[in-house]
Amino acid sequence: GESVGLHLPTLSVQEGDNSIINCAYSNSASDYFIWYKQESGKGPQFIIDIRSNMDKRQGQRVTVLLNKTVKHLSLQIAATQPGDSAVYFCAENTGGFKTIFGAGTRLFVKA
Amino acid sequence: EAGVVQSPRYKIIEKKQPVAFWCNPISGHNTLYWYRQNLGQGPELLIRYENEEAVDDSQLPKDRFSAERLKGVDSTLKIQPAELGDSAVYLCASSFKGSGANVLTFGAGSRLTVL
Repeated sequence: GESVGLHLPTLSVQEGDNSIINCAYSNSASDYFIWYKQESGKGPQFIIDIRSNMDKRQGQRVTVLLNKTVKHLSLQIAATQPGDSAVYFCAENTGGFKTIFGAGTRLFVKA
Repeated sequence: EAGVVQSPRYKIIEKKQPVAFWCNPISGHNTLYWYRQNLGQGPELLIRYENEEAVDDSQLPKDRFSAERLKGVDSTLKIQPAELGDSAVYLCASSFKGSGANVLTFGAGSRLTVL
């Protein structure tokens, strides 16, 4: 039968272009929002986080934007590379230890 | 640092058989999590431990799933008996909560296939 994985939202970008991955969250009380990257056969790996009282945070080649008005989070990857191909999850961190993951977006980077 | 270590990486069993997964968290991380990840979906929490105490097991199907974390270090997740719908990747993670975000460090996962 058809794999559930084929229903994962997908973003395809050309190598060198910028990527923008979006996420909608539900809990206004979340303290932090975190982006994880999951490569095939591996567990999710931390990329960057943002505290709920901030609207932008930059890391190395990545920027996270938080819009609390519309409960929207985005991850921007500059100069996307083949090694960036993976599934990206946003996660809400609430009450210290509670972490809830979103459904994920698969990023394909075309050489 | 070896990171979070899980075993086995892959397990294929027939339905109604038991299966167990083992996790060794990062040294010093007193919080340990077991997540289940179905194909194409995000991880879903099964149970969280603070040291040896299970502090959140509300999503653990207790009729067939059990977990333990003896001595507050390694942990084992067991399924008995396994059902077809249990096929998934079982992820173990650990964390040490400082003043910022609670960042989870995951193992590579144990992929279970139930036939």
